[in-house]
Amino acid sequence: DTGVSQNPRHKITKRGQNVTFRCDPISEHNRLYWYRQTLGQGPEFLTYFQNEAQLEKSRLLSDRFSAERPKGSFSTLEIQRTEQGDSAMYLCASSFQLAAYYEQYFGPGTRLTVT
Amino acid sequence: SQQGEEDPQALSIQEGENATMNCSYKTSINNLQWYRQNSGRGLVHLILIRSNEREKHSGRLRVTLDTSKKSSSLLITASRAADTASYFCATGDSGNTPLVFGKGTRLSVIA
Repeated sequence: DTGVSQNPRHKITKRGQNVTFRCDPISEHNRLYWYRQTLGQGPEFLTYFQNEAQLEKSRLLSDRFSAERPKGSFSTLEIQRTEQGDSAMYLCASSFQLAAYYEQYFGPGTRLTVT
Repeated sequence: SQQGEEDPQALSIQEGENATMNCSYKTSINNLQWYRQNSGRGLVHLILIRSNEREKHSGRLRVTLDTSKKSSSLLITASRAADTASYFCATGDSGNTPLVFGKGTRLSVIA
């Protein structure tokens, strides 16, 4: 499968615990994006990388959130001290930066439930 | 905050009918894209229209863009039950920046 993959697909955690999600983009894509989607809403941008550099962070990304892409390939999104408001679908997407007009390819998402 | 607003929020049609969804946005754009999302799954890219284009076709899909009105429409012709999904418009303000999504239209196609 050469699409974007995300792990785990589902995560249930207790409030206050830390969680980490992984995203593996399409291999030749150098841009990687994280979005968050709550029920009944469209995805909202969190952060994105070009290769290993984190280029932009949304104000939605509080200090409890951190994202890395250490070798410019896979990325991790960590949420520390989870809160019930963090419950959402976390979506990863990738694209090829050198394309003049690009489309983003999305993974299946990680659904987080904080109890 | 979200850039676009899709209209209607929900649409229910019979199989074989056409479905039209509209999207309005607020700021100038470089491109506008439509995505489909089946329940609880990731998004699938459907079509991209550039700001200097007015209409684009892909199979049973037809997208229009009116930059003077800051609006776009997605037409799905001869709908099928498999078209049941949520449809989102997303805008990009340059070639490769993060997309800003609307809230989506939930389409139900009844067989």
